[in-house]
This record gives sequence, C-alpha cells and structure tokens, in this order.
Amino acid sequence: NAGVTQTPKFQVLKTGQSMTLQCAQDMNHEYMSWYRQDPGMGLRLIHYSVGAGITDQGEVPNGYNVSRSTTEDFPLRLLSAAPSQTSVYFCASSRNTGELFFGEGSRLTVL
Amino acid sequence: AQSVTQLDSQVPVFEEAPVELRCNYSSSVSVYLFWYVQYPNQGLQLLLKYLSGSTLVKGINGFEAEFNKSQTSFHLRKPSVHISDTAEYFCAVSGGGATNKLIFGTGTLLAVQP
Repeated sequence: NAGVTQTPKFQVLKTGQSMTLQCAQDMNHEYMSWYRQDPGMGLRLIHYSVGAGITDQGEVPNGYNVSRSTTEDFPLRLLSAAPSQTSVYFCASSRNTGELFFGEGSRLTVL
Repeated sequence: AQSVTQLDSQVPVFEEAPVELRCNYSSSVSVYLFWYVQYPNQGLQLLLKYLSGSTLVKGINGFEAEFNKSQTSFHLRKPSVHISDTAEYFCAVSGGGATNKLIFGTGTLLAVQP
C-alpha cells in the first residue's frame, strides 16, 4: 500500500539550478496536484492534472512546470530555482470525491 | 473564486476540554467543504467532508463539523480533546464542479495541554 510517493524527501539547491520533484501514485487516481506549504500561508495549489495529458495552473504556478504522460506520475520541475521557492512541497491524488491523498512531502531549500 | 479564512492561527486548550476551530469561506457557487489534519512532519489526511445532505458531518477521531450556508461557515468541533489531537488543522473548499481542486486556509494549530 504505497499510496502517493514523493522523492526526494530533502533537497538543497543553489539559486539558478534546476531539479525535478517526483510524484507517483498506485491508486489509479485520475486527479493529481502539487501544493507548496509555507509558514502562515497554508497550502497553495501550484499545478494540477485531471488525467494523463491534461494539466492546468493553480494559484501560484510561476517558476514551475509539470507534465502528465502517465496516470501514475506527475513530476514538478523547477527550471531555475530561486530562494522564494524554499518550501515544503506536497503531491496529492484523488478520485472525483474531493478526498485528496497526500504524499509525505519534499523539503526544498534554495540558497 | 473560492477562498477560506481560518481566523485562529493557534488554539491552546486543556486535555478533556471541548474545542471549536473556526472556518469561514467565500464562494459564488455551491461548495464542497473539508477539514484535513496534519501531524508533525507528515502529509495531510482527511478528517471529514461536506458534499451535500445533512449539514452536520461526523469525521474520524470524534470530530464533527456543521455547514452553515447563511453564515458561510464550517466550524470544526470536538467535545473532549486528547493530547494526541495536537496537530495543525486545515479547512478547504472546492466548488463549481471542480471537486478535487481544493483551496486551503492558512491552518490552525491545536495545542492540547495536560
């Protein structure tokens, strides 16, 4: 029962570096999303996908790219990291019920 | 567009006392409402949800919430809290047919003291 798996759990980047946060789910959920969590700001939606080949922007999409080539995977790419992207990132998946299943999070620090 | 307001950033309470965590929402369309809990260094998990029907919703761990459309509120309650309830609680809203596109509030830290 893996559920939603995120890798890596921790990452330190220098400003301008690129990286990809991986997210995989084994529940055959159509809907997947990425949130960032910052102190005092709750969770903010970055990007989401309602199925393979379909993605859309959330509340704070700037600086992030996503793709959805399979039902299982939904990677989040930072093309040129900035200190403002220091955060904890959560991936989630769902059937059409509103219940999101979250991964354990990826803590990213950009120096 | 939907939005959620959680006015209390932290709620201290003694063990076995009742607690209410407040949530107000704003939306121009019919909404679905949720409460999630986050224990330290973990992801979020669903406590309860309101999609339709009875306005009093019961969830896990003895929590319940009441949907009040006229006051646009969805407050979370528990009659007697335990130390293990110490966590951050998030209210969330979705609507307009986008059931899974949740917008979260800023969270309330419930700090249960012995």
